[in-house]
Amino acid sequence: EVKLVQSGAEVKKPGESLKISCKGSGYNFNTYWVGWVRQMPGKGLEWMGIIYPGDFDTRYSRSFRGQVTISVEKSISTAYLQWNSLKASDTGMYFCARAPTSTSHPKHFDSWGQGTLVTVST
Amino acid sequence: DIVMTQSPDSLAVSLGERATINCKSSQNILYSLNHNNYLAWYQQRPGQAPRLLIYWASTRESGVPDRFSGSGSGTDFTLTISSLQAEDVAVYYCQQYYSTPHTFGQGTKVEIK
Repeated sequence: EVKLVQSGAEVKKPGESLKISCKGSGYNFNTYWVGWVRQMPGKGLEWMGIIYPGDFDTRYSRSFRGQVTISVEKSISTAYLQWNSLKASDTGMYFCARAPTSTSHPKHFDSWGQGTLVTVST
Repeated sequence: DIVMTQSPDSLAVSLGERATINCKSSQNILYSLNHNNYLAWYQQRPGQAPRLLIYWASTRESGVPDRFSGSGSGTDFTLTISSLQAEDVAVYYCQQYYSTPHTFGQGTKVEIK
């Protein structure tokens, strides 16, 4: 069974750093893209970026480039989303999701993690 | 970036009736070399993660009931729920995966009338 299991909820202060994780199992982690999607409270889905563990090819939405870092640790089948300096506006639910690949191009998200709630507040 | 626009923002349908959601892309998302439309539909029930329903605009994901169907090509797409069930109350999103960023529509909330 394909599973993506995300790390637990976080409460942080503005300016703090944070790294959340997404562990894949039940499939060859290196041959599927892993993407991150933000959902702010009461709002829709925003595509943040995606990484291919096989060759570390990483693509970001312009809105998130420079604001977050997406990485992977292949040896433990885990993807990460990292902030160096959180803002209150980073508050939201963050989902990881798996995407099949087609000639080095990510496709639709066919499996999703349960989400990690990040709250940034003084 | 490709902009995805859904309509309506919300709709209320009686149990057993048809629900239709439209999605329009700002650019053509039909890839001419393979004749595939790079369009997916997702369902997000309250308090849950999204779930893939349809990909390549009309291919139903394994395990998705056949009352869900997708159609359209180029820039205009439709998700149809042929006979609404109580468990279909959710927000539905379209997404293009033709080019990064793989943008989502704003979502359509489906409720029971």
